[in-house]
Order: sequence, then C-alpha cells, then structure tokens
Amino acid sequence: QLQLQESGPGLVKPSETLSLTCTVSGASISSSSYYWGWIRQPPGMGLEWIGIIYYSGRTYYNPSLKSRVTISVDTSKNQFSLKLSSVTAADTAVYYCATRKYSSFLLDFWGQGTLVSVSS
Amino acid sequence: QSVLTQPPSVSAAPGQKVTISCSGSSSNIGNNYVSWYQQLPGTAPKLLIYDNNKRPSGIPDRFSGSKSGTSATLGITGLQTGDEADYYCGTWDTSLSADVFGTGTKVTVL
Repeated sequence: QLQLQESGPGLVKPSETLSLTCTVSGASISSSSYYWGWIRQPPGMGLEWIGIIYYSGRTYYNPSLKSRVTISVDTSKNQFSLKLSSVTAADTAVYYCATRKYSSFLLDFWGQGTLVSVSS
Repeated sequence: QSVLTQPPSVSAAPGQKVTISCSGSSSNIGNNYVSWYQQLPGTAPKLLIYDNNKRPSGIPDRFSGSKSGTSATLGITGLQTGDEADYYCGTWDTSLSADVFGTGTKVTVL
C-alpha cells in the first residue's frame, strides 16, 4: 500500500523559507503513473493546491504562489520536497503531500499532514 | 479565491439525500474530469469520486457524482451521522495550467 509521510519544521520565522519533505513508501517515485503534489489548508479554511512534480522534474505550480514555490524530487531517497520562500503569517497551514494521477486530477493517496506555523 | 464555487453548507436529516454543486467554467469543469473529496474533522481529505462519476474501491454507492456542462454534482443518499464532513470538488484548469479545488461544503446531519 502506498504511503506518504510529511516531515519538516513546525515553526518558521517570517521572511524565511519553509522546507518540507514527503517520504514515499510502497511505490517508486519514478513511477510514470503519478505526479507528486503538495496541498495546504490554513486553519479553518479550504484546500489550496500548491503544485505537482513528475519524476522527470516537470512541474506545475499554483499561479498565485509560483514566484515563491519550488518542488523537487530526490529519486535516490524516494522523496519529494517543497520550498516556499519569503513566508508570512498567511502561509500558516497544514501542509499535505499527495499522489496525483498522471492522466487526471485524482489525488488518491495523502499524507497525514503537518502543521507549519509562521511566527517570530 | 477559488475558480470553483460550492455552497458553504448543506444539511438534511438522517436517511435523507443531499446534493452538493460545484460550478466552474469551460477552462476547468467543462473540459476536464472532476473528483470529489471528503474531509472528516482533523483528518486528511479522502478521495470519494473520480473521473466525474467513478468510485474508488471501498466507497459505498450512497455516494455518486455527475457532470453537466460547466457544473458537477456530488450526491449522498441515506445520510448518516458519519457523513458529517467537509466536501471539496477539484479538477484541472487548462487556462491556469494548474489543479484547482472548490471552495468546500460543510455537510450537517440534523
């Protein structure tokens, strides 16, 4: 069974860079069937799609976050990562990693999520 | 600000039916498959419906999906207290070259 686990600091200072990693088990991150994605949810609010990456390195990002977001893949560790620069309090959220089918918008496996707070 | 609009909340008594609408445009729902997600309090979202009307294994047939034009609908029949959750639609937006989620709908069982 495919499983995902987010990891990273739970507290980031304003203006710094948020960095999270998602470790994949039960499947190869080099699979041609999936994109690997990040989604976030501010407290009490709805889901916001951040972006996705294919094992080849091809990425798609939310236009509203594109200037600050980088998603990368480490095939040797079967992990993918999120970096969000110049964070503010508005970036406080639960961050989820998920698998996204290559052929369709279909997020079938999710991590449990990790809360990242932005505060000095 | 999401490009997919859902009603903030719907409610019904146990055993009844609710429908949740998801309104978009030709650049998203009109030309791409829609999926639906259920988010129980304090948990990660869970896939309910994909490719407009397909259910993953393990999802009861009380949950159904449909699409017409630039709108999609999630139906829940035989409502149970365990169905109280937030529900989100989503799809690919061709103009944005990005996936998009709906605004979310809270289902309350009266």
